[in-house]
Amino acid sequence: EAGVTQSPTHLIKTRGQQVTLRCSPISGHTSVYWYQQALGLGLQFLLWYDEGEERNRGNFPPRFSGRQFPNYSSELNVNALELEDSALYLCASTPDRGSNYGYTFGSGTRLTVV
Amino acid sequence: QKEVEQNSGPLSVPEGAIASLNCTYSDRGSQSFFWYRQYSGKSPELIMFIYSNGDKEDGRFTAQLNKASQYVSLLIRDSQPSDSATYLCASRGNLIFGKGTKLSVKP
Repeated sequence: EAGVTQSPTHLIKTRGQQVTLRCSPISGHTSVYWYQQALGLGLQFLLWYDEGEERNRGNFPPRFSGRQFPNYSSELNVNALELEDSALYLCASTPDRGSNYGYTFGSGTRLTVV
Repeated sequence: QKEVEQNSGPLSVPEGAIASLNCTYSDRGSQSFFWYRQYSGKSPELIMFIYSNGDKEDGRFTAQLNKASQYVSLLIRDSQPSDSATYLCASRGNLIFGKGTKLSVKP
């Protein structure tokens, strides 16, 4: 069974640019979570999608947005990139919002803003 | 604000010792918790899930949940250098993570 896949693995962008990160959940998983992890810091919750709807949002500005497609894959968009957006962006999936099976993480996308 | 708090450490233990990692939470409605392990530069991996008061054992790992006192802990017996990582506690539901405790097991 394929795990959670994220693309790209690494990305370098210039301040002010826009970026789109992609996540494909495990087959059968309907919920997708996005997290930001800046170097040396903890996981900061960004967004939660379930069945194509945004269910919850973390304390991030509106330039962080996303969506979930009918096949449950998801995109995270970040507009007007700032230097402090440099981080590892992690996607996790679970079978449903009440899963007891844990959340499986992808390998992440390392974003560097210069 | 629903929070999950952990001592960031680092926690250093000798090889073969018991490592004790603790987590407290503020939301009394939280019913269950996950423990994840994250090696440097890698993504978190699930190691334990607990939803009942008391202990849950899996190999060298024991998770403990005390809902009255609002804490959850992870014990690692016979610690190995390969256990050196950051351990993250998370509440189920909207999956709020603690900041993690960095564990270092010295040979």
